[in-house]
Amino acid sequence: DAGITQSPRHKVTETGTPVTLRCHQTENHRYMYWYRQDPGHGLRLIHYSYGVKDTDKGEVSDGYSVSRSKTEDFLLTLESATSSQTSVYFCAISPDRDNQPQHFGDGTRLSIL
Amino acid sequence: GDSVTQMEGPVTLSEEAFLTINCTYTATGYPSLFWYVQYPGEGLQLLLKATKADDKGSNKGFEATYRKETTSFHLEKGSVQVSDSAVYFCAQGGGNKLTFGTGTQLKVEL
Repeated sequence: DAGITQSPRHKVTETGTPVTLRCHQTENHRYMYWYRQDPGHGLRLIHYSYGVKDTDKGEVSDGYSVSRSKTEDFLLTLESATSSQTSVYFCAISPDRDNQPQHFGDGTRLSIL
Repeated sequence: GDSVTQMEGPVTLSEEAFLTINCTYTATGYPSLFWYVQYPGEGLQLLLKATKADDKGSNKGFEATYRKETTSFHLEKGSVQVSDSAVYFCAQGGGNKLTFGTGTQLKVEL
């Protein structure tokens, strides 16, 4: 299995609070991604990173920010959580070569009440 | 934009039945194509891939052929098992990003 660890695995919080999810990899891959998974939508890309301090938006980036200060860590922050952000969040990684698959973490189940 | 369309689920089959899950894509050019599988409570695992037209990806008895003329990448297995019950996602890749279908749940019964 690819060395990807997401933390926490489960979190329940209240509307309006800040939340940070962490993704840690041991593969030294260049690319890291954050997705959310919701019924009927499959996986949708929130943000991704193509190197330290290099990030870009995905298709559902509103309300989320990311940071990557080290190759191995990619943080996803909800500045002020809303109920619509209740979801399962997945981190993925891939190396810097064309046509390579992404490898996924086990996910974080986030509930915002 | 690019999109991937999968057949709606759930698909319910008896053990040893033949499986087909349809997938079509709309990317221009020659994207890489992937099938991922997700077991309950877990992340997505790569099942198979194909990177150019007419390539056949295969793994664990599953296979899919990259059909450029029909923009399809249908997943097949000749004889499913109860342990194949999971959600299957088709995806296309380009520029180090993936676009996923909405997933198809497969339930295999004894």
